[in-house]
Amino acid sequence: KNEVEQSPQNLTAQEGEFITINCSYSVGISALHWLQQHPGGGIVSLFMLSSGKKKHGRLIATINIQEKHSSLHITASHPRDSAVYICAVDFGNEKLTFGTGTRLTIIP
Amino acid sequence: EPEVTQTPSHQVTQMGQEVILRCVPISNHLYFYWYRQILGQKVEFLVSFYNNEISEKSEIFDDQFSVERPDGSNFTLKIRSTKLEDSAMYFCASSDQGREVSPLHFGNGTRLTVT
Repeated sequence: KNEVEQSPQNLTAQEGEFITINCSYSVGISALHWLQQHPGGGIVSLFMLSSGKKKHGRLIATINIQEKHSSLHITASHPRDSAVYICAVDFGNEKLTFGTGTRLTIIP
Repeated sequence: EPEVTQTPSHQVTQMGQEVILRCVPISNHLYFYWYRQILGQKVEFLVSFYNNEISEKSEIFDDQFSVERPDGSNFTLKIRSTKLEDSAMYFCASSDQGREVSPLHFGNGTRLTVT
């Protein structure tokens, strides 16, 4: 069965801390997406990756295909990073399967 | 930067009524998707659309749902006879080369409330 699990469900940290959000999936994939959902509900695509590592500003996404695991890191976290971060996996069947999301709160 | 736009942002309808949710994808994109998110739950895939036809649909996307690209710009989701459980946020998304190759661009969503 195609499953996606994220951890932690909720994460509260102080401004400036290094943040890690994890995503595990059950079977081989075509691609993995990291998404950010704002408090108002809108969704923004952060990364799409199928191997290795990608970096954009303070955000870094990595994926380990053998271990079926991906991480999203935020360096020097800021209150404006507060949002829900969602891992979504393409199992190659045209249907994107979403994780339950990680609610991140950064305290000034 | 080009955006995916969705209208309306919020729609309230009575049970049994038909609703049409509208989306304008990014102009050079070829792949279109609808997703929904029931309050407090995870986002779920509804349907993908390419080359003027449905390429994949989920179990949720039953005969009450349909999608259409009536002209070169709009992409619509119709729910024929709404039920209370259709209340959710509906997201449209598009990509230029398919989801395995290029990232998705999401609209801001339409919040549908069925009373």
